[in-house]
Amino acid sequence: NAGVTQTPKFQVLKTGQSMTLQCAQDMNHNSMYWYRQDPGMGLRLIYYSASEGTTDKGEVPNGYNVSRLNKREFSLRLESAAPSQTSVYFCASSGRGTGGSNQPQHFGDGTRLSIL
Amino acid sequence: GENVEQHPSTLSVQEGDSAVIKCTYSDSASNYFPWYKQELGKRPQLIIDIRSNVGEKKDQRIAVTLNKTAKHFSLHITETQPEDSAVYFCAASRTNAGKSTFGDGTTLTVKP
Repeated sequence: NAGVTQTPKFQVLKTGQSMTLQCAQDMNHNSMYWYRQDPGMGLRLIYYSASEGTTDKGEVPNGYNVSRLNKREFSLRLESAAPSQTSVYFCASSGRGTGGSNQPQHFGDGTRLSIL
Repeated sequence: GENVEQHPSTLSVQEGDSAVIKCTYSDSASNYFPWYKQELGKRPQLIIDIRSNVGEKKDQRIAVTLNKTAKHFSLHITETQPEDSAVYFCAASRTNAGKSTFGDGTTLTVKP
């Protein structure tokens, strides 16, 4: 099992460019998440998708859009990149236990994004 | 919404000593509390979790305790080793909430 796969692993953009970060999971999880982590900081939730067909804003959604393409895939798009979006981006997924109980999140290896 | 506070932000211990990290949460309906370890340059990974129907859970040198009345939970690491050096995150969530709320992390340094 690959778990959660993110592409690309590294990317350098110029201000104003757009790009899409890809994420796929093979664990049949319902929920998927996008976080950003700035140096020495914690995880800040950008967007999440509690189930296929739904997406919701997290605490820092401005400047980003997401698409839950199917149950496996959840992409994050930067329409017009800004230097403030330089960060490490983590995708994660989680399943549901008996009675809808929460399960741990499984993280991808991250995408290191630099915007010049 | 849920708010999770994590203390301390940094912790330095000698090898062999114990380390304790504490998190407090605000939503009394939260019932799932995982702890993640993130080594430098790596992804966060679950190390232990606890649900609200138990007060303590152990896994070798790691234990988590939960006080529902006071709304706090703690990570205990005994006989610390240099490889325990990492950032530790706590989180809290309720059933069907759709997302978890993370603490800001604790950087643990174990000195040989």
